[in-house]
Amino acid sequence: EPEVTQTPSHQVTQMGQEVILRCVPISNHLYFYWYRQILGQKVEFLVSFYNNEISEKSEIFDDQFSVERPDGSNFTLKIRSTKLEDSAMYFCASSDWDRRSTGELFFGEGSRLTVL
Amino acid sequence: DAKTTQPPSMDCAEGRAANLPCNHSTISGNEYVYWYRQIHSQGPQYIIHGLKNNETNEMASLIITEDRKSSTLILPHATLRDTAVYYCIVGLGGYQKVTFGTGTKLQVIP
Repeated sequence: EPEVTQTPSHQVTQMGQEVILRCVPISNHLYFYWYRQILGQKVEFLVSFYNNEISEKSEIFDDQFSVERPDGSNFTLKIRSTKLEDSAMYFCASSDWDRRSTGELFFGEGSRLTVL
Repeated sequence: DAKTTQPPSMDCAEGRAANLPCNHSTISGNEYVYWYRQIHSQGPQYIIHGLKNNETNEMASLIITEDRKSSTLILPHATLRDTAVYYCIVGLGGYQKVTFGTGTKLQVIP
């Protein structure tokens, strides 16, 4: 069964460092998303991406964050200068929505980011 | 901006049906009801969705009231592996983002 894969599974970084989290969405999907979940809190939407541009972003997704689809398979989330409060589990998701489906999201297993 | 209300937690005996309620009294006519679950800290997993009619798949059944103001997710024979947080979400579907609330923490008891 096709799945969304994320790397790394766990990354530890120092405050102020740049981090790139990588995702390989399901191959025929066209819509991509990043969510995050701080320990013990809700899963929060960060950004959605379609046709090589951001479709929607939340207030959390400030100038420190960026997303990119550098090739036909990867979808990345970059945090430019990490803060302690960026420590969270980051989930990538993809969707194959078209008029024939109602676009359920398929999530990866997450990348745990720990900022020290 | 929560559109749904769910009990924070429920218990269910292993092998019994788990019935998880959800209120969505402000749902609009073109909004779907989606259910996802999150096992421990894994990525959320889609379960089922519906618009007006009841739906069933290999994982669960979804019962939507006639006025669409509430729904119930039914896991017919709960197993220990069904212990998870279950999220009821309403939305337009398609490529629109999914907004998670706090969900119901279901504990399946041996």
